[in-house]
Amino acid sequence: DAGVTQSPTHLIKTRGQQVTLRCSPKSGHDTVSWYQQALGQGPQFIFQYYEEEERQRGNFPDRFSGHQFPNYSSELNVNALLLGDSALYLCASSLLAGALNQPQHFGDGTRLSIL
Amino acid sequence: GNSVTQMEGPVTLSEEAFLTINCTYTATGYPSLFWYVQYPGEGLQLLLKATKADDKGSNKGFEATYRKETTSFHLEKGSVQVSDSAVYFCALSAPAYNNNDMRFGAGTRLTVKP
Repeated sequence: DAGVTQSPTHLIKTRGQQVTLRCSPKSGHDTVSWYQQALGQGPQFIFQYYEEEERQRGNFPDRFSGHQFPNYSSELNVNALLLGDSALYLCASSLLAGALNQPQHFGDGTRLSIL
Repeated sequence: GNSVTQMEGPVTLSEEAFLTINCTYTATGYPSLFWYVQYPGEGLQLLLKATKADDKGSNKGFEATYRKETTSFHLEKGSVQVSDSAVYFCALSAPAYNNNDMRFGAGTRLTVKP
């Protein structure tokens, strides 16, 4: 049973460029959340997708956008990259199942470095 | 707003020592509480969880009890091993039925020496 998979593992970009990160959720999960984890910090919630729509969003600018596909996989897009966007980007999947308190399952992340 | 505060690290212990990592939270409603662990170069793995007051989560010798009166969820282990060296994150999701608003603490790095 495959867990959450993310690609690529590492990525190097320069300021002003655009980047797309990809995530495949754990089998059976229908909800994907994205987090940004700066070095030495805890993950910060970016947004969550369910039924191909953005369900909730954290405190991130519009340069951060996403998409969810019918097979539940997801992409995170970041435009006009800044040096401060350098971080580990984590994808987490879960089953949106009411009161079951389902925990989120995380992928190993994409390490994005901005030069 | 909802937030989690955990003790600052790093924490360095000798093998077989007792571990406590403090975590307190602020939340509206009745959150679920979690401890995640992150090994070098990896994502976060769920270590344990508790979904209501007085619940005790436990896994791999780690325990944490959901204390509503003190808004705390401290992580404990009676005898740590070198393999427990990692970064530990306390987290909450609130309201409890809606796990899309997950907040994490800053993490506590634990190093266990042989």
